[in-house]
Amino acid sequence: AQRVTQPEKLLSVFKGAPVELKCNYSYSGSPELFWYVQYSRQRLQLLLRHISRESIKGFTADLNKGETSFHLKKPFAQEEDSAMYYCALRGTYKYIFGTGTRLKVLA
Amino acid sequence: EAGVAQSPRYKIIEKRQSVAFWCNPISGHATLYWYQQILGQGPKLLIQFQNNGVVDDSQLPKDRFSAERLKGVDSTLKIQPAKLEDSAVYLCASRLSGGAGVDIQYFGAGTRLSVL
Repeated sequence: AQRVTQPEKLLSVFKGAPVELKCNYSYSGSPELFWYVQYSRQRLQLLLRHISRESIKGFTADLNKGETSFHLKKPFAQEEDSAMYYCALRGTYKYIFGTGTRLKVLA
Repeated sequence: EAGVAQSPRYKIIEKRQSVAFWCNPISGHATLYWYQQILGQGPKLLIQFQNNGVVDDSQLPKDRFSAERLKGVDSTLKIQPAKLEDSAVYLCASRLSGGAGVDIQYFGAGTRLSVL
C-alpha cells in the first residue's frame, strides 16, 4: 500500500534549537518525495523536493531508501518557521500526503 | 503570474443539498488536481485532469461527487447530495505538465465547506 506517515501531530521547540520533522513512506517503486508547508492564513506551498537536494530557508531533507524515510531538518529553528508541514510522495501520477506536523517555535 | 483561483471561499449547506466549487488554474497549466482535506488530515486526491481528460479518479466517491474540465482550463467539482462527512476544505492545484519533471504543483486558497 502507498502511504506517508508523519508520527508527530505537534512538535514544539525553542528558538535556536534543532528541528527534525519525521516522515516515513511506503511505496513499491521509486517515488519522488516532497515537503510542503502552510503558514498561517497562506496557501499550501512546496518547501523542497528530494531530487533537488537543496536547502530552502535552512531546511534540508535526505531520502533514505533503506529506512524509507525523508525527515526534514533545520539546525536552528526560527519563530517564522512555525507552520504546518506535510510530507508527500508522488508515484507515477498521484500525490499522497501525510497527515501533517504542526511546528511551534517558542521564543 | 496569477495564482490558482478558487471560489467560493466558504460555503455552508444542509445535508442532502447540492454544492459546486470552481477552480481556474494558472494559465497554461495542463494538469489540474482536486483534493479534499478533512480537519486534522492531509490533502487527499479526489481527481486529476490532464487537459480535459481524467488521469485518476480512483478516490472520488462517484455516487455523489462529479468533476469536469470541459475546455481543459477551468474546472468544477460538484457534490450532490452532500453528507455531513463531506465537511472539509476542497483544494485545487495545477501543474504545468503531467508526469515526472521539475515543475511543481501550485495550490489555490481552497473552499471551506460546512455541511449541517
